Amino acid sequence: GAGVSQSPSNKVTEKGKDVELRCDPISGHTALYWYRQSLGQGLEFLIYFQGNSAPDKSGLPSDRFSAERTGGSVSTLTIQRTQQEDSAVYLCASSLVAGSSYNEQFFGPGTRLTVL
Amino acid sequence: QQQVKQSPQSLIVQKGGISIINCAYENTAFDYFPWYQQFPGKGPALLIAIRPDVSEKKEGRFTISFNKSAKQFSLHIMDSQPGDSATYFCAASMGYNTDKLIFGTGTRLQVFP
Repeated sequence: GAGVSQSPSNKVTEKGKDVELRCDPISGHTALYWYRQSLGQGLEFLIYFQGNSAPDKSGLPSDRFSAERTGGSVSTLTIQRTQQEDSAVYLCASSLVAGSSYNEQFFGPGTRLTVL
Repeated sequence: QQQVKQSPQSLIVQKGGISIINCAYENTAFDYFPWYQQFPGKGPALLIAIRPDVSEKKEGRFTISFNKSAKQFSLHIMDSQPGDSATYFCAASMGYNTDKLIFGTGTRLQVFP
């Protein structure tokens, strides 16, 4: 089966513009995560969706960041009024079942966002 | 308290040598400690993981050593190969409520033939 896919693979935008990043998780996976990887940094948790539960938004760095997951499958991460410090690789991951700690998270290839 | 500290930042090892990467944490609520391997242009992939009820886990050439009292864990790569050249991330999570992973800052490993 297909793995986690993300689009676009690269996005260059101008400061102040809005961007949307898309994630298609592995079919049947109930949990979906967004992480951000900045140059020289580890992966930073942003937001987590599990089934129909309210998402854990505790990692979102500002109110310019939002995400939704439609129909329990595809997710879109939206960054409004982009800033240069938003430049990073945005990674999406999915897992079969969340909340049990031992479920492997499968990562997509990421979207490299560059804000000029 | 949510941090996972990883060292070294970079590591150069000769083929056949042992690569050792160390991580430390503060939050005793963490109960799952995976290591991820990432090649350039790819997403991270799970390499090996351990729970705190064991002190060591081995899978092929990869071993995790876990010291609960010291709140430290490490990855050992035996007989390192050029194909092991990648960035390695340790991570931790609290599984009772969420699987979100707290990652270390990564170690770039280069194995020279």
